[in-house]
Amino acid sequence: QVQLVQSGAEVKKPGASVKVSCKASGYTFTSYDINWVRQATGQGLEWMGWMNPNSGNTGYAQKFQGRVTMTRNTSISTAYMELSSLRSEDTAVYYCARGKMDELWRVSDYWGQGTLVTVSS
Amino acid sequence: DIVMTQSPDSLAVSLGERATINCESSQSVFYSSNNKNYLAWYQQKPGQPPKLLIYWASTRESGVPDRFSGSGSGTDFTLTISSLQAEDVAVYYCQQYYTPPTFGGGTKVEIK
Repeated sequence: QVQLVQSGAEVKKPGASVKVSCKASGYTFTSYDINWVRQATGQGLEWMGWMNPNSGNTGYAQKFQGRVTMTRNTSISTAYMELSSLRSEDTAVYYCARGKMDELWRVSDYWGQGTLVTVSS
Repeated sequence: DIVMTQSPDSLAVSLGERATINCESSQSVFYSSNNKNYLAWYQQKPGQPPKLLIYWASTRESGVPDRFSGSGSGTDFTLTISSLQAEDVAVYYCQQYYTPPTFGGGTKVEIK
């Protein structure tokens, strides 16, 4: 069965960086894009960007350009999202999610469990 | 970016009754070259990640009960739960994927 398992909760100080991992299993990792979405506590969903695990190509929401980097290690079927220059407003649950195939790459059919990132001095 | 506006923010519906959620986009998400609306719906229960319900505005994801249906085109869309069940209590989000994806603010569905 398809599974995305994310790394554990993080507490970071303002100005620091955080790197969240997302290990995929149950499907061919390089055949589906990975989307990253975040959700502040009690708030809605915010799309951050995508990565193609096969090519390594990425696309980021304008809001996060220059602060986010999405990478992968295909040998261990793991995607990563690194967010730098953290501020308190970045406190949120960060999700990785698999994009469906073909034209539905930005529609997410399987989701990780989420990783809480808390930014606090 | 396309702004997605959902209404209402919350609604309470009796068990077995119909629930209707609206989603409006600030510009059309209909792509004429393939005659498709780039609109999806998700369900999120407390403490869980979102679950995909519908894409292409009206195509149900595999395994989703047929009491969930999507309709609409262009800028105005609707998610309908034909007969509300207790397990449908959740927050529902629309998402456009025509341009860099954006989500609506969510609609909370409760039991009356």
